[in-house]
Amino acid sequence: AQTVTQSQPEMSVQEAETVTLSCTYDTSESDYYLFWYKQPPSRQMILVIRQEAYKQQNATENRFSVNFQKAAKSFSLKISDSQLGDAAMYFCAYRSPQENQFYFGTGTSLTVIP
Amino acid sequence: DAGVTQSPTHLIKTRGQQVTLRCSPKSGHDTVSWYQQALGQGPQFIFQYYEEEERQRGNFPDRFSGHQFPNYSSELNVNALLLGDSALYLCASSLSLYADTQYFGPGTRLTVL
Repeated sequence: AQTVTQSQPEMSVQEAETVTLSCTYDTSESDYYLFWYKQPPSRQMILVIRQEAYKQQNATENRFSVNFQKAAKSFSLKISDSQLGDAAMYFCAYRSPQENQFYFGTGTSLTVIP
Repeated sequence: DAGVTQSPTHLIKTRGQQVTLRCSPKSGHDTVSWYQQALGQGPQFIFQYYEEEERQRGNFPDRFSGHQFPNYSSELNVNALLLGDSALYLCASSLSLYADTQYFGPGTRLTVL
């Protein structure tokens, strides 16, 4: 089984500033997918960004980007120009193609301060 | 284009009862997965359905069972409810069995008293 660790239970950021959420994972697989999901108080998990392990280029989606360090098994999420609507729980997830399963971290609660 | 839908939104049951939760996948998706999310935790994989069969299963007891219908919708059944079954139950759908991305529904909040 794979494990995903998010060591920051809570983070805060001033509106318009930049924040980085950390995620590490443990796996013996060489090919896999990594995701960041956002879960606002409405509870719906929303896909923020995905990264394919075989791609060296870091994924970006508008204000969201990742720093993928495959050797270090690290996958952090950077949110630029933070907005009030970014406040939510953020979950890091790993997809194992061999097991065809997703594994989630315990989440980071992000507060955006006006 | 409708996303993943789940019903009901909330549910309250007592210990020992049985419950059925329902999920309709995103249009065009044929694979459904179910997750249990306890308070303050990340989602835990329960099982996955494709072509009306259970294809993968996480570490959950047999009290948790499911079904997938020909229209790809799915049900999650939990028998002999325990207090510890109180959680948010999330359904996720994907384009195919081995698609790398899942899309989630809003979840069903189950409270067991």
